[in-house]
Order: sequence, then C-alpha cells, then structure tokens
Amino acid sequence: GAGVSQSPSNKVTEKGKDVELRCDPISGHTALYWYRQSLGQGLEFLIYFQGNSAPDKSGLPSDRFSAERTGGSVSTLTIQRTQQEDSAVYLCASSLTTGGAIDEQFFGPGTRLTVL
Amino acid sequence: GDSVTQMEGPVTLSEEAFLTINCTYTATGYPSLFWYVQYPGEGLQLLLKATKADDKGSNKGFEATYRKETTSFHLEKGSVQVSDSAVYFCALQRYSGYSTLTFGKGTMLLVSP
Repeated sequence: GAGVSQSPSNKVTEKGKDVELRCDPISGHTALYWYRQSLGQGLEFLIYFQGNSAPDKSGLPSDRFSAERTGGSVSTLTIQRTQQEDSAVYLCASSLTTGGAIDEQFFGPGTRLTVL
Repeated sequence: GDSVTQMEGPVTLSEEAFLTINCTYTATGYPSLFWYVQYPGEGLQLLLKATKADDKGSNKGFEATYRKETTSFHLEKGSVQVSDSAVYFCALQRYSGYSTLTFGKGTMLLVSP
C-alpha cells in the first residue's frame, strides 16, 4: 500500500508569513508524529497524535507552531509568522499502534521549508 | 532525559572497506534501538533494529548488536559499496505512554569507487 505522503515537498516563504504543511499517514495507522530535521540539530520530535486523543505538544519549539489532525487521519502542521530559524526539513511519521516500544515508525519524504 | 550520541562525520571510505559507526545512548529502562538511513533526496528508512540486550539487528549486510553493559549499538558492515553512501541515524524508542524516537545527529558516509 501507499506510504506516508507529505506536501508540499518544498516550500519557500518570506519571513513573517504563515505556512501549512500536510501529512497523510499510512491508512489504519493510529499514531502520527512530526519531527524537524535542522542542519546541525539533527532530528527533533515536535508533536505526537494518537487517534482522537489530545496531542502531546511537548516538542513544539514555540507557540507559533501548532498542529491538528482531522478525523484521526490527515495532519496539518502550521507555523505562524515564520522566522529564518524555522528553515528545516519537516518529517512526518506514522505507526500502527503505541502498544509498546517496538512500534515501527514509517517516515514520509519530508517538506523542505526555506524562510527567506 | 534520553539521548543518543553518534560519531561525527563525514566518514569517507573506499569501496569494500570495513565500516563502523559508533553509537551510544542514555536512557532509563530498556529502550529499543534502531538505525535509520537517509539516501540522498529520499526519506528516512529503517535499516535495522534490536529490542533487547544482546539482540543483533541485521539488514543489507549491516549489523548492530545491542550492548546494554556499554550502552552501545555500533553499526558495522564488512564491505561497503558506493550505493551505501547516505546519512545514518542511530535512534532509541522508549515506551513512556507513547513511543517517540530520540535520534542522534546523524553520520554521513561517503564511499568512493
């Protein structure tokens, strides 16, 4: 079946503008994660969704970042008033369940965000 | 908190050379350990994993053994190929209500013919 898809693949925006990044998880996967891959910072966890439960937002770097997941499937990560330090590759992953520590996460190709 | 430390790159090797990429971790309990690979222009792919002490994960000629006594999970391959050129990420996953991944910063491997 189809893997995790993300759109757009590339996004260039001007400082101060808002952006929305989309993630379509693998069908049937209940858990969805957003990570950020920055030069020099590696991969950082941002936010986690499990089904229709309240998300864990503990990794979000500031209140300019928010995310929602509609109907337990598609997720949108929104960055308001973008700053140059937001430039990174934003990765989405999904997994079937969070029943244990071995639930494999499947990653999308990422969205490369460049803030000018 | 949890953390993963891996050797800085880039690691530059000739084809057929032996590869080791070191990875150590800090975590409470008994995390699962992973190596992910990111080929140029592609997304992260799971390369191999180990879920308990002394387990050996293997795939595509790569191996890593979960060493609890040294909190390590070093990646090895006996004979690298040009096609192995990629960035390799060591990661741990510890169930704490959910299973987020904690990654190392990645090691770039460059293999020349």
